[in-house]
Amino acid sequence: GESVGLHLPTLSVQEGDNSIINCAYSNSASDYFIWYKQESGKGPQFIIDIRSNMDKRQGQRVTVLLNKTVKHLSLQIAATQPGDSAVYFCAENTMEYRNKLVFGAGTILRVKS
Amino acid sequence: GAGVSQSPRYKVAKRGQDVALRCDPISGHVSLFWYQQALGQGPEFLTYFQNEAQLDKSGLPSDRFFAERPEGSVSTLKIQRTQQEDSAVYLCASSSSTGTGEQYFGPGTRLTVT
Repeated sequence: GESVGLHLPTLSVQEGDNSIINCAYSNSASDYFIWYKQESGKGPQFIIDIRSNMDKRQGQRVTVLLNKTVKHLSLQIAATQPGDSAVYFCAENTMEYRNKLVFGAGTILRVKS
Repeated sequence: GAGVSQSPRYKVAKRGQDVALRCDPISGHVSLFWYQQALGQGPEFLTYFQNEAQLDKSGLPSDRFFAERPEGSVSTLKIQRTQQEDSAVYLCASSSSTGTGEQYFGPGTRLTVT
């Protein structure tokens, strides 16, 4: 989707459809990844995490896929609801700097009713 | 239960003023983090505390930025002689873990320097 306002990529989906949000991470040494959801005026909220020894992890209505070969992470949201509208960030972490999360730029998800 | 709280929620400062931003982490959380989030961007790491010890301050952008957590609970981020480029949302997060683990974020303080 085209970037709007905040110059973030935007994904618009119909309520009830599945959403896929993508993230390319930068550090091949990263071994822990997290997806966060951020609503307007709030801090980021943890959605799901995955370690590098896995390629898929499922939560409630969400699935994270990790492809280490191409350094790509995706978040799939099933049956997207209006309450899912937010900015979504992926974050990566390395063993060397375990206390430091590095966030991606974010994707705006808009759910149309 | 109470989450991470931050105060003030909004702060307007004239350029050159000093500001102090407060973070109350979740009770008992060992780790505390500060992030800076510019408009339209993801949060950027500033500094990390494990209890009262500041173990990493590599993300602080200049020596005008100073953070403390003297008793291992509440933390204060101080910015001296604020500049317009300091305008951002300052997020605090806490975690019960000292390694990887879920970080719980507060709502942030939006700082506007005029």
